[in-house]
Amino acid sequence: DSGVTQTPKHLITATGQRVTLRCSPRSGDLSVYWYQQSLDQGLQFLIQYYNGEERAKGNILERFSAQQFPDLHSELNLSSLELGDSALYFCASSVASGSGNTIYFGEGSWLTVV
Amino acid sequence: TQLLEQSPQFLSIQEGENLTVYCNSSSVFSSLQWYRQEPGEGPVLLVTVVTGGEVKKLKRLTFQFGDARKDSSLHITAAQPGDTGLYLCAGDSQGGKLIFGQGTELSVKP
Repeated sequence: DSGVTQTPKHLITATGQRVTLRCSPRSGDLSVYWYQQSLDQGLQFLIQYYNGEERAKGNILERFSAQQFPDLHSELNLSSLELGDSALYFCASSVASGSGNTIYFGEGSWLTVV
Repeated sequence: TQLLEQSPQFLSIQEGENLTVYCNSSSVFSSLQWYRQEPGEGPVLLVTVVTGGEVKKLKRLTFQFGDARKDSSLHITAAQPGDTGLYLCAGDSQGGKLIFGQGTELSVKP
C-alpha cells in the first residue's frame, strides 16, 4: 500500500459524458501528479500540482482539467469523453516538487468509455 | 520531445536464467528510476540512479546508469517466477515530471 488513495477504482461511462477522478495523496505529501496509462501510449504524464498550484503540464487534453484543494487532495475532471479516453488513470504524490523526490503511485482508476 | 526507448518489449524466460532490460534516450536526465508494476496495481519504485556510471544492486537486480546519463540497464540474475511483471524505466526531466519508457513485460516460467 503506497498510501495514495484513488477513487473510484473502476468506472464505466458513455461517450460525451463527464467524470471526476479523486486522489488523496500520502500524508504529508504536497505534490500530486496525474498520469494516464493506455496500451498504445504507455504511461503519460498529464499534470502536476504542488501545494494547490499547478507546477507542470504534460500531454493533457483541453477536455481534461485538474485541481488540488487546500486539504491537498486532487481531482481530475474528464469531459466530453471519447472512446480513446479509456485508460488507467494514476495519481501519484511526493513530499516536494524537485528532482530526485520519490513518487508514490496509487492503484489507479480504470475508466472505460463505451 | 524527450523519449525513452525500452527494450525488449516482451521477454519470456525460464527460471534461473539471466536477463537484461535496456532503457535508452538521446536526452540527458537528472535521474532515472526503475519501477515494477503488477496487474491491477500502480508502479512501485525499485531504484533511483542519479550519477553517471552509477551502479546499484537490489538483491538479484543490478541497475546501471550510463556515463552520459542518457541510458540505463536493469540486469536480473537467476530470475524467479516472482520477478514476473512489467518493468518501467522513467527519466526525471523536470522536477518530478517523469518520462516513462513503454515498459518490458517479463514472464519467468518455473
